[in-house]
Amino acid sequence: SQTIHQWPATLVQPVGSPLSLECTVEGTSNPNLYWYRQAAGRGLQLLFYSVGIGQISSEVPQNLSASRPQDRQFILSSKKLLLSDSGFYLCASTRGSGNTIYFGEGSWLTVV
Amino acid sequence: GENVEQHPSTLSVQEGDSAVIKCTYSDSASNYFPWYKQELGKRPQLIIDIRSNVGEKKDQRIAVTLNKTAKHFSLHITETQPEDSAVYFCAASSSNFGNEKLTFGTGTRLTIIP
Repeated sequence: SQTIHQWPATLVQPVGSPLSLECTVEGTSNPNLYWYRQAAGRGLQLLFYSVGIGQISSEVPQNLSASRPQDRQFILSSKKLLLSDSGFYLCASTRGSGNTIYFGEGSWLTVV
Repeated sequence: GENVEQHPSTLSVQEGDSAVIKCTYSDSASNYFPWYKQELGKRPQLIIDIRSNVGEKKDQRIAVTLNKTAKHFSLHITETQPEDSAVYFCAASSSNFGNEKLTFGTGTRLTIIP
């Protein structure tokens, strides 16, 4: 069965510092991969999605970027964090040939 | 792009009663409609989904209905229990040859009153 690993689970970063969140998927091949952000008590905002290695689509202009160096690895980065980047970041993946999307455990980011 | 509206934003029901959450979508090409349950501090979990070739789907106490003409779909929870308390999100997606993107509603906080 598919497993989505996401780390770190929590982090506190100062404003202006860099960010790297990593997501890896096991148990499936060539998945679509997604990064969502959820502000406290709010809905789910799609940030990036990828249909293959090196293929990244950005949904929202911001100071974040994403990369997919391997089939089952998806990385979310920032060179300089803003206070507004705080939130719950969720990596997600499709499973098999369908469009059902499953989420990783999430990463809590607090920018101070 | 797709726009999904979800109502109500909060819902309180007595334990044992039914709860209904409604969503509307804008893109007539959308053909996949999942519902997720998110408990406090945890990831959203898929609880039920429906595709556009089906009008209703049931899984024990949970059912989802879809009206393609009106572009709305609903989640029905019967015989509610305290563990049903959570935030529920609807979503819509058009499966465009592997380019699946889910657009989520804004969520409904469901509270079951014991």
